[in-house]
Amino acid sequence: SQTIHQWPATLVQPVGSPLSLECTVEGTSNPNLYWYRQAAGRGLQLLFYSVGIGQISSEVPQNLSASRPQDRQFILSSKKLLLSDSGFYLCAFKGLAEAFFGQGTRLTVV
Amino acid sequence: KQEVTQIPAALSVPEGENLVLNCSFTDSAIYNLQWFRQDPGKGLTSLLLIQSSQREQTSGRLNASLDKSSGRSTLYIAASQPGDSATYLCAVSFTSGTYKYIFGTGTRLKVLA
Repeated sequence: SQTIHQWPATLVQPVGSPLSLECTVEGTSNPNLYWYRQAAGRGLQLLFYSVGIGQISSEVPQNLSASRPQDRQFILSSKKLLLSDSGFYLCAFKGLAEAFFGQGTRLTVV
Repeated sequence: KQEVTQIPAALSVPEGENLVLNCSFTDSAIYNLQWFRQDPGKGLTSLLLIQSSQREQTSGRLNASLDKSSGRSTLYIAASQPGDSATYLCAVSFTSGTYKYIFGTGTRLKVLA
């Protein structure tokens, strides 16, 4: 069966520190992968999507970057976190039909 | 620009009411549309998926319809219950040259006992 794993579930990081969130997918190959952010009280904003290894499309200019080193691995990174990076981050994959989401990472930058 | 909007933004109803949530999208060239539920502080739970060739999908008390020509989808919830209280999100997969999966702004539903 198709599953998606995202970790960690919660993270508190100081301003200026680096970030690495990881997402892995099982039970499918060559999925489209997505990173979304949800700020408090706001909708889901698409940050990055990837249609293949090493292929990253960025939707909004920001302090974050994404990488896809393997077919089923998607990483969200930052070299120096800002307060505005706080939010709920969701990883997703989509095959031919529906999309599946990870359980999310709640990031608080202090 | 491909956009997805949802109205109303918030809705409060007494238990037992039937209700309709709306989702609009600006580009009718879609691959599919998916409705999700999000409980506070939690991830997303998939409710219904409608492919572009379909007109509606049903699951229990939920029914979702799709009208591509008008760029609209509705989620109908029958006999609402307090446990239905959550934020409901629609997401659209557009076919026009990208693989973006765009979310609407959500409808925050509260069902009063």
